[in-house]
Amino acid sequence: DSGVTQTPKHLITATGQRVTLRCSPRSGDLSVYWYQQSLDQGLQFLIQYYNGEERAKGNILERFSAQQFPDLHSELNLSSLELGDSALYFCASSVGDRMGNEQFFGPGTRLTVL
Amino acid sequence: DQQVKQNSPSLSVQEGRISILNCDYTNSMFDYFLWYKKYPAEGPTFLISISSIKDKNEDGRFTVFLNKSAKHLSLHIVPSQPGDSAVYFCAARAGAGSYQLTFGKGTKLSVIP
Repeated sequence: DSGVTQTPKHLITATGQRVTLRCSPRSGDLSVYWYQQSLDQGLQFLIQYYNGEERAKGNILERFSAQQFPDLHSELNLSSLELGDSALYFCASSVGDRMGNEQFFGPGTRLTVL
Repeated sequence: DQQVKQNSPSLSVQEGRISILNCDYTNSMFDYFLWYKKYPAEGPTFLISISSIKDKNEDGRFTVFLNKSAKHLSLHIVPSQPGDSAVYFCAARAGAGSYQLTFGKGTKLSVIP
């Protein structure tokens, strides 16, 4: 158990809908990272927050957004969903804001868009 | 354009033998490399890392080798155990100021008892 929690574990929705994925980092970790893993793909970095502020953006679509709240939990919002958005979404956390810090991953949320 | 490549989608090894997982990269700005292990239905778990100023890092049964001139790194697991069966991801960071990790697609290791 990494100490990072993600809810829900599974999510099935329809095209055009909007969903919110939630992540609680390990106690004491200030950075939260979101990744997408599509079928047969590696993990694609989406976005990073550090202590409530956006720190880095990766391959995140305009339809996607995220935020980190004062209690440090984070939410990833996916809107106008398309079939291709079906994937595993991982959240990770680390103490600092540098990618060299070891990242601890949650179990992921499997999103299926029908 | 894949900057981190794991060209072997899968690898089978007999228990007790050596497992060698390979990773190639194209970005010469990468200065820090990590290996993550992932079991089904779990998130990736950090395994071992290496800085570009080193060519070898060892941690128990796991050793990572870095060949900068060839832009190649490998993870050696000796001896391999059935519990090592998992998907292994290679990841790289482009500079100390970078916030982004670039991952390969992973190699599924099966250790046969």
